[in-house]
Amino acid sequence: DVKVTQSSRYLVKRTGEKVFLECVQDMDHENMFWYRQDPGLGLRLIYFSYDVKMKEKGDIPEGYSVSREKKERFSLILESASTNQTSMYLCASSTTGLAKNIQYFGAGTRLSVL
Amino acid sequence: GQQLNQSPQSMFIQEGEDVSMNCTSSSIFNTWLWYKQDPGEGPVLLIALYKAGELTSNGRLTAQFGITRKDSFLNISASIPSDVGIYFCAGPQNSGNTPLVFGKGTRLSVIA
Repeated sequence: DVKVTQSSRYLVKRTGEKVFLECVQDMDHENMFWYRQDPGLGLRLIYFSYDVKMKEKGDIPEGYSVSREKKERFSLILESASTNQTSMYLCASSTTGLAKNIQYFGAGTRLSVL
Repeated sequence: GQQLNQSPQSMFIQEGEDVSMNCTSSSIFNTWLWYKQDPGEGPVLLIALYKAGELTSNGRLTAQFGITRKDSFLNISASIPSDVGIYFCAGPQNSGNTPLVFGKGTRLSVIA
């Protein structure tokens, strides 16, 4: 089974803090994604990556950056957390092979910025 | 960009009832995916559809790829309390290696 692991289920941070959300997948997937999920807005794509050291902006990249130094790990960084970044963050991965487009999700990190 | 319109936004049903939800788009999709998200968890894939007209089942769930390629339907028969959650449709933005477009979800509540 594909496993996508997010390092924390719950995080509480203060405004202005630098926040790292970590995601690791164990299926050698090429593609990795970060979403945020807010009530009534569905899943919104923040950043994605098709390969190590590559990154692409999604629909709402402002206030975020990402890092992909190793194939299995994709980090989301909030340089200076703000209260409007309080949300559920979901990481996903997918392959470029036969089952491409099917994304496998982690359990999510619920971030509160106070 | 492409959008997926999912309806209804929410449903309250009695245990044992059948459920139907759908997803529509103004543009053609070549793949339709249906996910379920349990409360407090990440979405999990239920069914993947790859061909127009395709009808696929997974237990009590049945999904169809519309023949126009612009819609898809998910039906749940004889609902049970563990069917509670948010159901998302999704499809790739275009052919090739590309991010998914997601609908905003249908929130299902089952009353025992």
